[in-house]
This record gives sequence, structure tokens and C-alpha cells, in this order.
Amino acid sequence: ETGVTQTPRHLVMGMTNKKSLKCEQHLGHNAMYWYKQSAKKPLELMFVYNFKEQTENNSVPSRFSPECPNSSHLFLHLHTLQPEDSALYLCASSQLASGNEQFFGPGTRLTVL
Amino acid sequence: SQQGEEDPQALSIQEGENATMNCSYKTSINNLQWYRQNSGRGLVHLILIRSNEREKHSGRLRVTLDTSKKSSSLLITASRAADTASYFCATSDGYQKVTFGIGTKLQVIP
Repeated sequence: ETGVTQTPRHLVMGMTNKKSLKCEQHLGHNAMYWYKQSAKKPLELMFVYNFKEQTENNSVPSRFSPECPNSSHLFLHLHTLQPEDSALYLCASSQLASGNEQFFGPGTRLTVL
Repeated sequence: SQQGEEDPQALSIQEGENATMNCSYKTSINNLQWYRQNSGRGLVHLILIRSNEREKHSGRLRVTLDTSKKSSSLLITASRAADTASYFCATSDGYQKVTFGIGTKLQVIP
């Protein structure tokens, strides 16, 4: 909606599945983020990438594995998830030193059965 | 924690009325931002106010910041049904760490 796209928009997976979420930004930004949004909880920052390098991992379980092949693309690989991982996963991008205004994608609604 | 806490958690008003949402935070900040999220969608940045600013306007939005009280407010004037959404404040350290609150769910009744 604001130059950040995410696919798929909805995903249902079993606990033994492996899937990946994709994010692409068309804004020329050099930082990208993964957030988890669960009901009645603050938005949780999961990972931060600057110029393709991971700079933050907020104690995220290893069943979530990010990948940033270039500054426009960000993936979140999912493996052996738990039902409590069901949430809206949001990708965002920003330009470093811009005051941190972040541009969000529409999110992937993930349901783990 | 720099987490912003919005108040109220839910607000229902008639179209045309003003809506005021408040945000409190705990530590010093570089700037504070407000975002809007329509149901099940991504967040949209509304306005950013720096720690040395006290008030900022953007269209029907007015944001105030009181760093001595560690609080901010977002005022939406002459609300419209399309303003129905969740509104989040987010505090920033001026680099990359942006910490969001739980949000205020606003319903504007036509």
C-alpha cells in the first residue's frame, strides 16, 4: 500500500510445515524490519536489517529464520511453529537517519494449526 | 522501557466530533510518532514530533508532546467514518529502535 508488499497475505500451516514469508520494498530504503502483531499486545519487533546485515534479533526463537538477500527483499522462514505463533506478521522499511518513519506492508495473517 | 501506552484503549464517537487519544512513555526519546492501522492491514505513518517540539499539525491532526510529563496526545478534529481504525503511538531513540504501544481503537459512527 505504501511501496512495501508482502506475500502471501494469508497462510495456514501445520506445526510440521516449512513455509516462508516474503517482503519487498520499492522505496529505495536501506533498513527492513519484521514485526509480530498479536491481539491485545504491543507490536513486537523481531528482526532488523541495515544494508542487508542483521543488526537486531529480539530473542526470537530459532524456528523463525530471517533472510535478507539485498536491501529490497526480506524473508522470514518458518519451521516447526507453535499455535501461539499465530499472528499478523508485518514487514516495514525505513531510510536510516530519517527520523525512523517506517513504512509498513499489509502483513501476512498466519494461522498455525 | 520506552513503550508507549495509549489511553483510552477504545473510543467511540459520532461523526463530526473530535477524538483525543493520549500516550504515555517511560524513558527519554528522540521523537514520537503516531500511526494508524485499519483492520487487518499494515500501519500507516501519520505524524512525527521531535523531542524539542511541543505541537505539530497535519490536516485534521494535531499532536502535542510534553516531555516533562512523558506524554503525547493526538487530536483528530471533525472526525469521519473513514477515521475508524486503531491508532498507535511509537517512541523512537532517533536511530532504529521504534517501540509501539497497544493502541487505541477508534470507532466513528456515521
